[in-house]
This record gives sequence, structure tokens and C-alpha cells, in this order.
Amino acid sequence: QKEVEQNSGPLSVPEGAIASLNCTYSDRGSQSFFWYRQYSGKSPELIMFIYSNGDKEDGRFTAQLNKASQYVSLLIRDSQPSDSATYLCAALPNFGNEKLTFGTGTRLTIIP
Amino acid sequence: EPEVTQTPSHQVTQMGQEVILRCVPISNHLYFYWYRQILGQKVEFLVSFYNNEISEKSEIFDDQFSVERPDGSNFTLKIRSTKLEDSAMYFCASSLKGSPQPQHFGDGTRLSIL
Repeated sequence: QKEVEQNSGPLSVPEGAIASLNCTYSDRGSQSFFWYRQYSGKSPELIMFIYSNGDKEDGRFTAQLNKASQYVSLLIRDSQPSDSATYLCAALPNFGNEKLTFGTGTRLTIIP
Repeated sequence: EPEVTQTPSHQVTQMGQEVILRCVPISNHLYFYWYRQILGQKVEFLVSFYNNEISEKSEIFDDQFSVERPDGSNFTLKIRSTKLEDSAMYFCASSLKGSPQPQHFGDGTRLSIL
């Protein structure tokens, strides 16, 4: 069974601090990884995607990928109360396979 | 910004009835997907669709389910003979190209089976 694992949280971070969200995956063949934000009762909203080892930055968000360790992370700098949501990590097994496999999500709360 | 739209936002149906959930993917996208999320659980893949045929489906997507692209803009999920355990949020998604392009999700349809 190909799994994506996340700590369910809740993770509480003071406003203005860095929030660090982590994800591991079991399928070593996985090639691409996605972070979605999901507010309660709403749909997943794409935040970042990463295909290559290393860091990818977009505004306050940085995605990090380490394929050797099968580990993906998302850093949120200068956390805002509006960042409070559940963050879903998802993986595509390989190029050409369309099935996104999601983790259970980490609930993040930013404390004003 | 272009978005995936889904209707209805909430569907209430008696057990055993058929439902059709509708989606309008982003206009220039070629790949379409259905996912579901049972309350408090993971988002689960159901099916992917490209070039007017199913490209991949999960074990959840059995004979009870079917998908169709009846015209150039709509993409539908039909669930026949609904069961209580079909109650979930159903999300449609689309991507410009296939893997590894990101998939963009609609707002979802909450399906409640009574």
C-alpha cells in the first residue's frame, strides 16, 4: 500500500513565526509532490508543488524535497492567522500516473 | 483566475436512488478527476479521465460509479443505487496536462444519503 504520512497535529505556531509541516511517503518511485491547504468544510487549494530535490520558494512558502529520505516539508514564514487550516501533502507515484495519494493532513493553528 | 465549478453544492438523496454530480473543469484543461472525502478522513482518488475515456480508476470506483463528458464543458459523476456509505464530499479536479501537472480542485459537492 503506497502511503503518505503526516502528523495530524494540531500544530500551534505564534503569529509571525515559521510553521514547519512534514510529510513522508512510502513509494520510492514517487516523482512529484504537492501541498494543498484545506479550510474546514472547503476544498483543497494548491499551495506548492515540487519535483526536484532541494528547495522551492514562492513568497512566504518554501517546499523542500529529499527523495533519498522520502521526505517532503513545507515552511510558512511570517505565519498569519489566515494560514490556520489543514495542510495536505499529496504524491503522484510516477510520471504518467494520475492518482494523487493524499496524507491525512496536519491541522495548523496560528496564534495571534 | 479560472476555476473548476461544481453543482450542486449540496445533494440530499434517499438510499437506493441515483445521483449525478456535475463539474465544469477549467476551460483549457485536458485531464479530469473525481475524488471523495468522507468526513474526517483522507481525500481519496476515484477516477481520472482523458480523451473521452477513463485513464485510471481506484478500487472504490466499482460498477456503481460512472463518468461522462456529455459535451465540451461538463464532466459528470453518476452514482447508481446509492448507499449510506456514499455520503461524502465529492471533489472534481482538472489539470492542463497529465502527470506531473498540478490538479486544481473545485469547491465540492456534499452528498448526503438518507
